[in-house]
Amino acid sequence: DAKTTQPTSMDCAEGRAANLPCNHSTISGNEYVYWYRQIHSQGPQYIIHGLKNNETNEMASLIITEDRKSSTLILPHATLRDTAVYYCIVRVIQGAQKLVFGQGTRLTINP
Amino acid sequence: ETGVTQTPRHLVMGMTNKKSLKCEQHLGHNAMYWYKQSAKKPLELMFVYNFKEQTENNSVPSRFSPECPNSSHLFLHLHTLQPEDSALYLCASSQMSTGANVLTFGAGSRLTVL
Repeated sequence: DAKTTQPTSMDCAEGRAANLPCNHSTISGNEYVYWYRQIHSQGPQYIIHGLKNNETNEMASLIITEDRKSSTLILPHATLRDTAVYYCIVRVIQGAQKLVFGQGTRLTINP
Repeated sequence: ETGVTQTPRHLVMGMTNKKSLKCEQHLGHNAMYWYKQSAKKPLELMFVYNFKEQTENNSVPSRFSPECPNSSHLFLHLHTLQPEDSALYLCASSQMSTGANVLTFGAGSRLTVL
């Protein structure tokens, strides 16, 4: 699986958009970009995934660059409950999802 | 009950005890997973079960013994653990071969080995 690089930590003001970057320069053509988050001492929660087109759901938007070497997760109106560690993972969609979690980005939403 | 349920949520055990962690998924998924999360470390995949068959053992010591009697239940049997095995143990499930194939995690069982 391709390796990802994320900033260790980020801060964002409540009500503003939180933009979390992820580099995955060695991504293969059949690998998707998945985002999960983990609120303190809970299990990780799926947020969104995509292959090459931008994606949006009720939680977030995912912007993938044209060369697919990087992506950005956007939380449009961050709330205090969005404080969590955010993980960017690249993985093929088929088969057992043996996700390899890195250190992720610790996002803190400030009032 | 919905989602993935793990019991117990907290467990304290001595090094000579034998205990088990239980995971149940109510999502109709066909794959189940055990992950370990030690303090200040990333999640580590331990075991993967696909249609009740173990398909992955990520070099886990034999003092951890998984059991998957059916596609809805997963156990992690623990015996003669070490203090460094203290961690949050997370169970997850997914539906392979369809759609997004995302993992749904339980809330975890926090284990303390004395």
